[in-house]
Amino acid sequence: AQTVTQSQPEMSVQEAETVTLSCTYDTSESDYYLFWYKQPPSRQMILVIRQEAYKQQNATENRFSVNFQKAAKSFSLKISDSQLGDAAMYFCAYRSLYGNKLVFGAGTILRVKS
Amino acid sequence: DAGITQSPRYKITETGRQVTLMCHQTWSHSYMFWYRQDLGHGLRLIYYSAAADITDKGEVPDGYVVSRSKTENFPLTLESATRSQTSVYFCASSEPLAGGNDHTDTQYFGPGTRLTVL
Repeated sequence: AQTVTQSQPEMSVQEAETVTLSCTYDTSESDYYLFWYKQPPSRQMILVIRQEAYKQQNATENRFSVNFQKAAKSFSLKISDSQLGDAAMYFCAYRSLYGNKLVFGAGTILRVKS
Repeated sequence: DAGITQSPRYKITETGRQVTLMCHQTWSHSYMFWYRQDLGHGLRLIYYSAAADITDKGEVPDGYVVSRSKTENFPLTLESATRSQTSVYFCASSEPLAGGNDHTDTQYFGPGTRLTVL
């Protein structure tokens, strides 16, 4: 079974600075998908970014980018120019290529200081 | 509005009572999911459904029952609630990946139901 580990329960960043959230996973599969979800205080789960394992290029969505290291099974999220609205819980998630179930990490609370 | 809704948003019940959480989606997505969110565990899959009348267990199915008689609805029932089932419950839906680089398989989440079992 696949597992996802987020080793940072909580992180803080100053507004306008850059922060990186860590995620590692364990799988024996060669093709899969990885995701970062954001959960603000409203509890709504919002997809931030998605990475296909067969793509070597790191995904980017505006101020959000990932560092995908397949051999190391690492999938970190970098948030540039942090804004107060980025404060939330962030979840890393794994999905098999042909499956539809998501496996989530425990989450990282991100606090943004003004 | 189109989307995925859950009801109730908040529920307090007592140990031993039956509780049903509702989930409704307007996209006609094939797949639907129930997750529970607990501190330190992230979201864990309870049950999922690939289509009407097709359901399967996830990681933590014990104490829960699901049904899916219609594509758009996926209710979750706690037959005899226990304190350990106090949690936030999320419903989600998605379509199977169609191929290529499309993102049709993205899971969309409902707003969640906070359930407290006293």
